[in-house]
Amino acid sequence: ETGVTQTPRHLVMGMTNKKSLKCEQHLGHNAMYWYKQSAKKPLELMFVYNFKEQTENNSVPSRFSPECPNSSHLFLHLHTLQPEDSALYLCASSQVLAGEETQYFGPGTRLLVL
Amino acid sequence: LAKTTQPISMDSYEGQEVNITCSHNNIATNDYITWYQQFPSQGPRFIIQGYKTKVTNEVASLFIPADRKSSTLSLPRVSLSDTAVYYCLVGGYSGGGADGLTFGKGTHLIIQP
Repeated sequence: ETGVTQTPRHLVMGMTNKKSLKCEQHLGHNAMYWYKQSAKKPLELMFVYNFKEQTENNSVPSRFSPECPNSSHLFLHLHTLQPEDSALYLCASSQVLAGEETQYFGPGTRLLVL
Repeated sequence: LAKTTQPISMDSYEGQEVNITCSHNNIATNDYITWYQQFPSQGPRFIIQGYKTKVTNEVASLFIPADRKSSTLSLPRVSLSDTAVYYCLVGGYSGGGADGLTFGKGTHLIIQP
């Protein structure tokens, strides 16, 4: 049990659908992250929220829209996705400390776009 | 860009000790070194973290030389279930901005019977 939960665990959607991924951390951390991992590729950082403020947007297309209403919850809103967006989407959290932090990951959402 | 360099893959056998070395020539004074393990279709899992010399926990040891420009993850007596991708990161977000969160390709460790 990592203390980071993600729902849903699996999602199939069409290119015209709108869906949202949810992440919740129960660790009292002050930073949350979205990563994308396509098949046999490294993790790609998408967004960083530090104290609820978005501090990194790693050139992610606008069809991905993050939301962080508080330090424990993070959403990724999806709309008009493409088949190449099919991947494992991972949420993580950490307590930002000067050079010393550890990230805790959720189990991920396996997304398939048809 | 990742701040670290690791071998792409390694092979070993059950019961052996496995050492994976990571290079981080530009590590900053405040940066810690953290290793993660990832199984297919799962998120990475923290293994061990250290700043200098040697750190040991129930699953691994981490050796860091005095110049801190490299580190070695040591897995004692590996089993088939240790087959996974292992990532080395330095600093995290506060220590390196987005670069501190770049996992790179990691080391794919394959354990054979």
